[in-house]
Amino acid sequence: GNSVTQMEGPVTLSEEAFLTINCTYTATGYPSLFWYVQYPGEGLQLLLKATKADDKGSNKGFEATYRKETTSFHLEKGSVQVSDSAVYFCALLKAAGNKLTFGGGTRVLVKP
Amino acid sequence: DVKVTQSSRYLVKRTGEKVFLECVQDMDHENMFWYRQDPGLGLRLIYFSYDVKMKEKGDIPEGYSVSREKKERFSLILESASTNQTSMYLCASSSPQGSSYEQYFGPGTRLTVT
Repeated sequence: GNSVTQMEGPVTLSEEAFLTINCTYTATGYPSLFWYVQYPGEGLQLLLKATKADDKGSNKGFEATYRKETTSFHLEKGSVQVSDSAVYFCALLKAAGNKLTFGGGTRVLVKP
Repeated sequence: DVKVTQSSRYLVKRTGEKVFLECVQDMDHENMFWYRQDPGLGLRLIYFSYDVKMKEKGDIPEGYSVSREKKERFSLILESASTNQTSMYLCASSSPQGSSYEQYFGPGTRLTVT
């Protein structure tokens, strides 16, 4: 079946540091890939997405590239802010499906 | 903006009680979902519905049921709450129109069963 594995947290960084959160997936066919973010006390929000191999999703300074050869979709941001403190979820949607499969989530804490 | 609302942010119930969690979306979405979120386990799908009166089991349906009588409303029911159902419950909706299938989430209900 489909599965998503992402690095465990918490990840603690100083402001302006570089952030990488690893995400790898197992799926048949050609899934779409997503990063969702959950700020404290809130539901999940879509951060970015990529629907085919080599696509790069980007939003709010975050980027992730759909790498089919390594089945990965790592999230990166060049200079984090305190406001980026949140839990980040990698997810996949199988082709022609409507159910997301989520990774376990990675908590990120950015200190001033 | 799409809005998904959940009836309660925090709920405390006793073991054996019947619990209703309500979710309403205002974007005329066909699909609605119920997840539970537990530390280290991410989000796990309990049930989803792709149309009024239609439902499908997700990955962990045991101990839960759902109801969708109107398109905008999707209810999660715990027939007899147990302590292992203490969790954060998230509702989401999406539309199969277009190619993104983006899911929009509510703020969550943190349920404690004592």
